[in-house]
Amino acid sequence: SQQGEEDPQALSIQEGENATMNCSYKTSINNLQWYRQNSGRGLVHLILIRSNEREKHSGRLRVTLDTSKKSSSLLITASRAADTASYFCATAFYNNNDMRFGAGTRLTVKP
Amino acid sequence: DVKVTQSSRYLVKRTGEKVFLECVQDMDHENMFWYRQDPGLGLRLIYFSYDVKMKEKGDIPEGYSVSREKKERFSLILESASTNQTSMYLCASSLSRADYGYTFGSGTRLTVV
Repeated sequence: SQQGEEDPQALSIQEGENATMNCSYKTSINNLQWYRQNSGRGLVHLILIRSNEREKHSGRLRVTLDTSKKSSSLLITASRAADTASYFCATAFYNNNDMRFGAGTRLTVKP
Repeated sequence: DVKVTQSSRYLVKRTGEKVFLECVQDMDHENMFWYRQDPGLGLRLIYFSYDVKMKEKGDIPEGYSVSREKKERFSLILESASTNQTSMYLCASSLSRADYGYTFGSGTRLTVV
């Protein structure tokens, strides 16, 4: 499978701290996307970064992409209890535009 | 906002039954997808469709089929349900192949007994 892999599998932090999650993939990509999933629900699209971009911001989210290392990171600043969820990266490859998802990082933000 | 609606939130079926999972989107999206989600395995692509009456196999199509008779509706069919098909099934749609984010439904948790 060409799916990305998130690291760590689980992360627990205190409210107000920053959370960093990483994603690695294996082949060249068109873009990389991050999604959030609250327990037992569907995924919600957070941010898309294209292969020619290095960094993107959206509110408290910051995504970086390093195509030479085939990796991406998602930073959530000033975390809140409501950020507790699973976070997935998804990759769209050049020869196949259908996205593949990793197993996710489970983030717990303690109040 | 685009909405993707999955017909059932929870479903319990018996082994050997034919099962239909329905998905409807209301924003005229060309592309629709079916994934299953299992603990530790993430989301795995079962089938997808880029147009009406068109379908393509994903990574794990065995035991499944799909139907897309209308643009807004994409159905996943379990021809003869088995216990290893117990899973969360997620439908998604998108405006273009992968240049835009996917919009997901809330999921159907299927249990096969």
